[in-house]
Amino acid sequence: NAGVTQTPKFQVLKTGQSMTLQCAQDMNHNSMYWYRQDPGMGLRLIYYSASEGTTDKGEVPNGYNVSRLNKREFSLRLESAAPSQTSVYFCASSATYNEQFFGPGTRLTVL
Amino acid sequence: GESVGLHLPTLSVQEGDNSIINCAYSNSASDYFIWYKQESGKGPQFIIDIRSNMDKRQGQRVTVLLNKTVKHLSLQIAATQPGDSAVYFCAESGPPPTGGGNKLTFGTGTQLKVEL
Repeated sequence: NAGVTQTPKFQVLKTGQSMTLQCAQDMNHNSMYWYRQDPGMGLRLIYYSASEGTTDKGEVPNGYNVSRLNKREFSLRLESAAPSQTSVYFCASSATYNEQFFGPGTRLTVL
Repeated sequence: GESVGLHLPTLSVQEGDNSIINCAYSNSASDYFIWYKQESGKGPQFIIDIRSNMDKRQGQRVTVLLNKTVKHLSLQIAATQPGDSAVYFCAESGPPPTGGGNKLTFGTGTQLKVEL
């Protein structure tokens, strides 16, 4: 099992460009999450999907949109990237109220 | 110590010693607590978790202690090894939401450095 996979691993954008971060899990988990991690800080929840067909805002949702494509896949979209969105983005999944398993991250720089 | 808030940035220990990483939380309704290890350039890796109906839980070389009276969580690593060098995060969540999922709130992390 690959666990949680994320693409791309690295990305550089110019201000105003858009992009979609992809995430997939093969553990048959119901819940999936998107976090961002800034230097010297913990992870902050952007959006989550408790189950297929549902999505909810987390702590820092502004500037982002998500799509739960199916049970396996959960994407994060930046419609108009800003330098403040320079960060490392992590996707995670969990079997409902249990530990979350994280992907390797996407390192995004917005110029 | 670390909190879902403040943190002790760096903890240095000698190889073979025991390490204790602390975490304070403020939400009295917190029901689930978890520790993650994050190595440089990688995603967080699950270490151990504990629910609010327990005071202590042990894993392989790790122990988590929960003191609900003072809202304090600690991670103990026995016989610390160079491979334990990483940033350690505590996280907590409230009671299970009716819609499912598990919204974790993370602390800011503690850097553990193991000296040879």
